[in-house]
Amino acid sequence: QSVLTQPPSVSGAPGQRVTISCTGSSSNIGTPYDVHWYQQLPGTAPKLLIYGNNNRPSGVPDRFSGSKSGTSASLAITGLQAEDEADYYCQSYDSSLSGYVFGTGTTVTVL
Amino acid sequence: QVQLQESGPGLVKPSETLSLTCTVSGGSIGSYYWSWIRQPAGKGLEWIGRIYASANTNYNPSLKSRVMMSVDTSKNQFSLRLTSVTAADTAIYYCARTLVRGVVPHFDSWGQGALVTVSS
Repeated sequence: QSVLTQPPSVSGAPGQRVTISCTGSSSNIGTPYDVHWYQQLPGTAPKLLIYGNNNRPSGVPDRFSGSKSGTSASLAITGLQAEDEADYYCQSYDSSLSGYVFGTGTTVTVL
Repeated sequence: QVQLQESGPGLVKPSETLSLTCTVSGGSIGSYYWSWIRQPAGKGLEWIGRIYASANTNYNPSLKSRVMMSVDTSKNQFSLRLTSVTAADTAIYYCARTLVRGVVPHFDSWGQGALVTVSS
């Protein structure tokens, strides 16, 4: 049972904007702990998408953006494309659990 | 660009020890943290632990009593041992480079994953 909660699924038409929430608590996202995001295409290893709340690694399209406010974080995908169909996970640190934690994961479907 | 490759037995009997090795290429294993992360089929990701090149380790408290990690800098490899395994330990095991760029490290490079099944 993860301490970071994400919606199980989100969907959108090509070109639309979708957002994925990551809800935590005062022992993780609500403190000065960074949130990172990963994309996992079917049958592959996760890939770093956003680090430090809102930074994109080299090669990640600027269609992907991250934000954090209070005890929640969000990943936004603008101009949704078919290749964005994947599972997305948030990640942070939890001081109560004394370890790194991942969100429950969200499946993005392009209609 | 650094690359990681997991290796080890794909089948482990219940109560025995799971052993995996991650070989790092395209860069030195020194000066970085390295983690193991697992994912049961159809489920989410779970951080197992991390090790520094100096062999300093941190483990997930929920697995700490059964986990041991080690590093061999001469071979550019690090390893995972998980004792007393049960069917609940069946998962894809990933090794990943762990970058400390802020308050919370992130995993910037991942291996392709190794499926380990616990079954008699």
